[in-house]
Amino acid sequence: TQLLEQSPQFLSIQEGENLTVYCNSSSVFSSLQWYRQEPGEGPVLLVTVVTGGEVKKLKRLTFQFGDARKDSSLHITAAQPGDTGLYLCAGAPGNQFYFGTGTSLTVIP
Amino acid sequence: DADVTQTPRNRITKTGKRIMLECSQTKGHDRMYWYRQDPGLGLQLIYYSFDVKDINKGEISDGYSVSRQAQAKFSLSLESAIPNQTALYFCATSDSQGASETQYFGPGTRLLVL
Repeated sequence: TQLLEQSPQFLSIQEGENLTVYCNSSSVFSSLQWYRQEPGEGPVLLVTVVTGGEVKKLKRLTFQFGDARKDSSLHITAAQPGDTGLYLCAGAPGNQFYFGTGTSLTVIP
Repeated sequence: DADVTQTPRNRITKTGKRIMLECSQTKGHDRMYWYRQDPGLGLQLIYYSFDVKDINKGEISDGYSVSRQAQAKFSLSLESAIPNQTALYFCATSDSQGASETQYFGPGTRLLVL
């Protein structure tokens, strides 16, 4: 059982469509992070959300932290081929850092 | 120059062989991590170290060992490699804990155990 479950695991959409990726846990986190990983590279941090209910926007990406601090979502508006990659949520309920199961996104031109 | 480097970038080995993967960082961070990633999946923590004298097991430490030779160096060893250790291995560093922690990853080492 993974501490952080992401859904969907795979997503293939057409350019211009909107999508939402979910990250869920039964544990409470002081913060959650979202990383993006491109093929052949290591993950790179996109954003950190720290307050329950917080919403952060990064251009076409909108991140939300659940009120109970157990879940988060990533919404992409008008997806572009450059958004293709593996999206990972991550957090540390204690001293140990955990990554989610990942969502592999493919945006078709 | 990259802040977090890993050597080798690719490695093919045979079952039963001992291999070492090395990680170096120039970011001056105290915390270093080793992760394993299987195709299309997230990362699983193998070991982590908060300073030179501190080593901690992660989710999947069985079959692996580590050595923190200096603040800048953290190596991962497979004492007797087996095929299900075929994976992509990442080293990461961070300089803080809690809400503001950011992990910085190396480029990865692709390991194939035959």
